[in-house]
Amino acid sequence: QSALTQPASVSGSPGQSITLTCTGASSDVGRYNLVSWYQQHPGKAPKLMIYEVTKRPSGVSNRFSGSKSGNTASLTISGLQAEDEADYYCSSYAGSWRVFGGGTKLTVL
Amino acid sequence: QVQLVQSGAEVKRPGASVKVSCKPSGYTFTDYYMHWLRQAPGQGLEWMGWISPNTGGTSYAQKFQGRVTMTRDTSISTFSMELTRLTNDDTATYYCAREEGSSWYAYWGQGTLVTVSS
Repeated sequence: QSALTQPASVSGSPGQSITLTCTGASSDVGRYNLVSWYQQHPGKAPKLMIYEVTKRPSGVSNRFSGSKSGNTASLTISGLQAEDEADYYCSSYAGSWRVFGGGTKLTVL
Repeated sequence: QVQLVQSGAEVKRPGASVKVSCKPSGYTFTDYYMHWLRQAPGQGLEWMGWISPNTGGTSYAQKFQGRVTMTRDTSISTFSMELTRLTNDDTATYYCAREEGSSWYAYWGQGTLVTVSS
């Protein structure tokens, strides 16, 4: 049950596109198309942004998109906005367990 | 609308136990598994385990095996998570989250801050 690996921080300018990565193993990210992404603002509960690698819940901006290649999943945010500044966490199904990444702090410059 | 309402903040001494509750509304209690996660101050999300609302069956993260017990009371439609032998490292906000499909969480409780301090 090792945690998924995410870069600690990423930054970008308004209007730019950025990609956050999430690296797991062949037993979780690589085996299942069950990766989800969460956005968390300070003091708030996490918010679901992407599920099943590429699907976007109703109400989430289409500026957010997900993908996966091998053991690495990615979240791309296009047209970066100030309100996107937050912590982002990836998660994967791993059989009886679930695993999370350590989170990436996104700073909008 | 779906809501998960958790019990209030707790302050505990090292070595004590804490029990956090989570009461869902807006859907049929037995339709969805409930998961528990926690987040230490300034740290990331950590998955603790899940419970089936139908059978009461559970699965816990290895890190918490032997210290955590997740239960449900169908008569009052409430889930609970008890953590024993608390240490300072257990200071965190504890969340319940309803699992959709097989792996994602669209609904979260508001979080319960548990502070362990002597």
